[in-house]
Amino acid sequence: DTGVSQDPRHKITKRGQNVTFRCDPISEHNRLYWYRQTLGQGPEFLTYFQNEAQLEKSRLLSDRFSAERPKGSFSTLEIQRTEQGDSAMYLCASSPTGTPEAFFGQGTRLTVV
Amino acid sequence: RKEVEQDPGPFNVPEGATVAFNCTYSNSASQSFFWYRQDCRKEPKLLMSVYSSGNEDGRFTAQLNRASQYISLLIRDSKLSDSATYLCVVNSGLSLGLIFGQGTELSVKP
Repeated sequence: DTGVSQDPRHKITKRGQNVTFRCDPISEHNRLYWYRQTLGQGPEFLTYFQNEAQLEKSRLLSDRFSAERPKGSFSTLEIQRTEQGDSAMYLCASSPTGTPEAFFGQGTRLTVV
Repeated sequence: RKEVEQDPGPFNVPEGATVAFNCTYSNSASQSFFWYRQDCRKEPKLLMSVYSSGNEDGRFTAQLNRASQYISLLIRDSKLSDSATYLCVVNSGLSLGLIFGQGTELSVKP
């Protein structure tokens, strides 16, 4: 499968714990995005990487959230001191340069209890 | 006001029906427009891009009205497999992040 891959698919964590998600984009795509989706809503943009550079962060990305893409390939999204409001589907997407169309992974569903 | 607004539905239609969804966007500088489809508990998938001249892909027709800032999707001869949530998506050109509407739920019944 050469699509966008995310790991884990599901994560249940206790409030206050830290969690980290991984995304492997389509190999020839140099743009990588993170989105968050809650029930009944469309995905909301969080952040964007061009290769290893994080070029844009939404105001939704609080100080407890950090994303990296150290070698311009896979990316990680870490949430520190999780809160119940962080419960959502975290979607990663990638695209090649020159098009805003994005191809999504299957997401990581986070439940904070 | 949300940047992209859609009627959440649900739209319940019989097989073979024609159904139309509209969406409005608030940023007049928006440059790219898309419809994505999302099945229950799955990731969004690109259905089609939307161009000013209108475009068609089989049973699906998308149109853009820049003056009124709305986008439409027409589905002809609905199939059971068309049941999904249809997301209207806009890109402003200032950001590479896509802006999604809430989605419109479609349920096609036998």
